[in-house]
Amino acid sequence: EDKVVQSPLSLVVHEGDTVTLNCSYEVTNFRSLLWYKQEKKAPTFLFMLTSSGIEKKSGRLSSILDKKELFSILNITATQTGDSAVYLCAVPFEGGSQGNLIFGKGTKLSVKP
Amino acid sequence: NAGVTQTPKFQVLKTGQSMTLQCAQDMNHNSMYWYRQDPGMGLRLIYYSASEGTTDKGEVPNGYNVSRLNKREFSLRLESAAPSQTSVYFCASRSSGNTIYFGEGSWLTVV
Repeated sequence: EDKVVQSPLSLVVHEGDTVTLNCSYEVTNFRSLLWYKQEKKAPTFLFMLTSSGIEKKSGRLSSILDKKELFSILNITATQTGDSAVYLCAVPFEGGSQGNLIFGKGTKLSVKP
Repeated sequence: NAGVTQTPKFQVLKTGQSMTLQCAQDMNHNSMYWYRQDPGMGLRLIYYSASEGTTDKGEVPNGYNVSRLNKREFSLRLESAAPSQTSVYFCASRSSGNTIYFGEGSWLTVV
């Protein structure tokens, strides 16, 4: 069965901490892995990962994919209260069901001042 | 470039009323999706459309119907709204490069 699992489901940290969010997947004919940030509105795109070992970076956020072990991590350094959100992982694939797209349940990050 | 446009943004319905959520994308994408999002449940797929003229059920299709009118538009209809359908609804489309684009969301309350 195709699936995407995110961990932890929720996380509370203090400003300045570094956090690592995890996304593991099992899908048929993997195409890419996407990370989104969702505040109280539509998800906004962060990263698309297609190749193993190549880090994508945007400011304090970075992400990397391991296609051998079937997971990705999203790192946030020097967290700020504005990083508080739900972080979603999505995996488009081919040849399966559910529209060939699966979302994880998300990790709810709360950053305390 | 508007991306994915979704209407209405907010709606209150009485139990038993019907309504249609409209979604349109101007990016020439084949695949379009309707999700609902409830607290603690993540995004749950209601229906999707892999191409114009085709639709398929997702994880939670009961109580909903969809129509892929053309390549641009993918509408979601609630024939007889129930309080359990109170939720936030997102329309999305998928590019050939596998990026997912979301509409702004529709906040629906059924009383």
